Amino acid sequence: DAGVIQSPRHEVTEMGQEVTLRCKPISGHNSLFWYRQTMMRGLELLIYFNNNVPIDDSGMPEDRFSAKMPNASFSTLKIQPSEPRDSAVYFCASSAFTVLSNQPQHFGDGTRLSIL
Amino acid sequence: GENVEQHPSTLSVQEGDSAVIKCTYSDSASNYFPWYKQELGKGPQLIIDIRSNVGEKKDQRIAVTLNKTAKHFSLHITETQPEDSAVYFCAANAGGTSYGKLTFGQGTILTVHP
Repeated sequence: DAGVIQSPRHEVTEMGQEVTLRCKPISGHNSLFWYRQTMMRGLELLIYFNNNVPIDDSGMPEDRFSAKMPNASFSTLKIQPSEPRDSAVYFCASSAFTVLSNQPQHFGDGTRLSIL
Repeated sequence: GENVEQHPSTLSVQEGDSAVIKCTYSDSASNYFPWYKQELGKGPQLIIDIRSNVGEKKDQRIAVTLNKTAKHFSLHITETQPEDSAVYFCAANAGGTSYGKLTFGQGTILTVHP
């Protein structure tokens, strides 16, 4: 079975440019999570969706960050304009949540973002 | 909200020894506790999980214990091997309707010396 697929794997761009990160969750999963990982702050939850609806975006650092989930098989995280402090590894994860039982989150291999 | 503390931050053992990583959580409504292993350049991978109706769970060389009263849970790796070297994260779900949201510990860098 295909896991969570993220693209691109690496992105290097100049400050001020728009960056779009993409995620394809595991088929059948109904919750999707975006994380940012840095040495200083560890693994931070940015935003998560359930059934394509954003549930909690309180982790999004600034208005420069936005995320969408137009359908069950695709999500994007956009940074506009990008800044050097946005450099990090961004992970997408998905899970098959039910009210009766928590299910594990499955992570993609991340996008390593470098803003020059 | 939920707070998860993880210790130690680094752990160095000799091959064949056991390794133990401990986590505490704050939300008494949490009922799901997964452990993840992250290797260099990869995303975190689930290695074992435990639910609040169980006190211990084993899978070959790894085991997890849960003490709900004390709000702590631990990962035990026996007969460690060099390939166990990685960063390990514990996590706990948020109580209530959280759609599977997890709060992660800060991570433990495990090094197994041959």
